[in-house]
Amino acid sequence: NAGVTQTPKFRILKIGQSMTLQCTQDMNHNYMYWYRQDPGMGLKLIYYSVGAGITDKGEVPNGYNVSRSTTEDFPLRLELAAPSQTSVYFCASGRGSYNEQFFGPGTRLTVL
Amino acid sequence: KQEVTQIPAALSVPEGENLVLNCSFTDSAIYNLQWFRQDPGKGLTSLLLIQSSQREQTSGRLNASLDKSSGRSTLYIAASQPGDSATYLCAAHGGTGNQFYFGTGTSLTVIP
Repeated sequence: NAGVTQTPKFRILKIGQSMTLQCTQDMNHNYMYWYRQDPGMGLKLIYYSVGAGITDKGEVPNGYNVSRSTTEDFPLRLELAAPSQTSVYFCASGRGSYNEQFFGPGTRLTVL
Repeated sequence: KQEVTQIPAALSVPEGENLVLNCSFTDSAIYNLQWFRQDPGKGLTSLLLIQSSQREQTSGRLNASLDKSSGRSTLYIAASQPGDSATYLCAAHGGTGNQFYFGTGTSLTVIP
């Protein structure tokens, strides 16, 4: 099993551009999560999904959108990139709400 | 809102020493608590998950304990090795929100 994979690993965007961060898991997990990690701060939850077709906001959802059309994939969309979205983005998955979370390797995004 | 604190932010110990990392949380109504390891520039690796009904979990040289009433968890690392050098993060799940809340981590350096 590959676990949780994320693409791209690195990306530089200009202000106002848009992009999609990809996340795929092959563990048949129902729950998937998107976090951002800023220096000196704990991980903050952006959005999460409890199954295909069901998504919900986390702590810091503004400026992002998600969709979950399949169990495996949970892409994160940035519509109008802003410097405040410079961060490392992690995708995670888990069997259920009370189960372990497994993380992908992250995407390092810089908005200039 | 759940607040998770990890003190100290950084710790250096000589190889072979036993050590304890601390994690505090403000809302004792948690479902579980998970400990992670993060190497520089990498994703998070799950170490241990303690359910709210458990008091401790062990894996190899690692032992994690949970005391919900005092809002504390500890990660005990026995006979530390240079390869243990990393940042250790704890995350509390539940409380007032159905999500994991992360601490900012303790950066551990084990000196050969």
